[in-house]
Amino acid sequence: DAGVTQSPTHLIKTRGQQVTLRCSPKSGHDTVSWYQQALGQGPQFIFQYYEEEERQRGNFPDRFSGHQFPNYSSELNVNALLLGDSALYLCASSPEVGTPIFGYTFGSGTRLTVV
Amino acid sequence: AQRVTQPEKLLSVFKGAPVELKCNYSYSGSPELFWYVQYSRQRLQLLLRHISRESIKGFTADLNKGETSFHLKKPFAQEEDSAMYYCALRSSDKLIFGTGTRLQVFP
Repeated sequence: DAGVTQSPTHLIKTRGQQVTLRCSPKSGHDTVSWYQQALGQGPQFIFQYYEEEERQRGNFPDRFSGHQFPNYSSELNVNALLLGDSALYLCASSPEVGTPIFGYTFGSGTRLTVV
Repeated sequence: AQRVTQPEKLLSVFKGAPVELKCNYSYSGSPELFWYVQYSRQRLQLLLRHISRESIKGFTADLNKGETSFHLKKPFAQEEDSAMYYCALRSSDKLIFGTGTRLQVFP
């Protein structure tokens, strides 16, 4: 089992551009959450997808959007990139919402640099 | 507000010394707390969760509701324990993380 896989591993974009990050969850997991980890900070929750719908969202602007596909994989899109969007973006998958033992499996992340 | 605080950015100890990584939380209700670890060039991984009352790699953490703390402890640090440690609080199936503490264990 490859666990959670994210692509690409690194990305450099220019201010104002748009970016799409991808995530494949661990086998058997159907819920995908995205986190942003700025340098020197802990991961911050962006949003969570379950059954192809956004289930909950953190305090991020509408420039951040996502999608979940029928195979449970997910994309994170960021429009109109700002320098402050430079961060490590983490994807985490988990079993069905409400499973008694709560547990995330994290991917290695995508390092986004906005110049 | 729901919040996790890790007051130390860096904790340096010598091999064999005791370790305590501090974590305080703010949460209304019954909290569910975790410790995650990130070794150099590796992904974030779960170290332990309070609900399981387990000991992983010699680490333990006890939830103290009176002090709203969930400190991570190990009696004798090893060099391989050097890593970033994050305390996290579960809130509606998402995690709220602290800013992390870097543990350096010197030989």
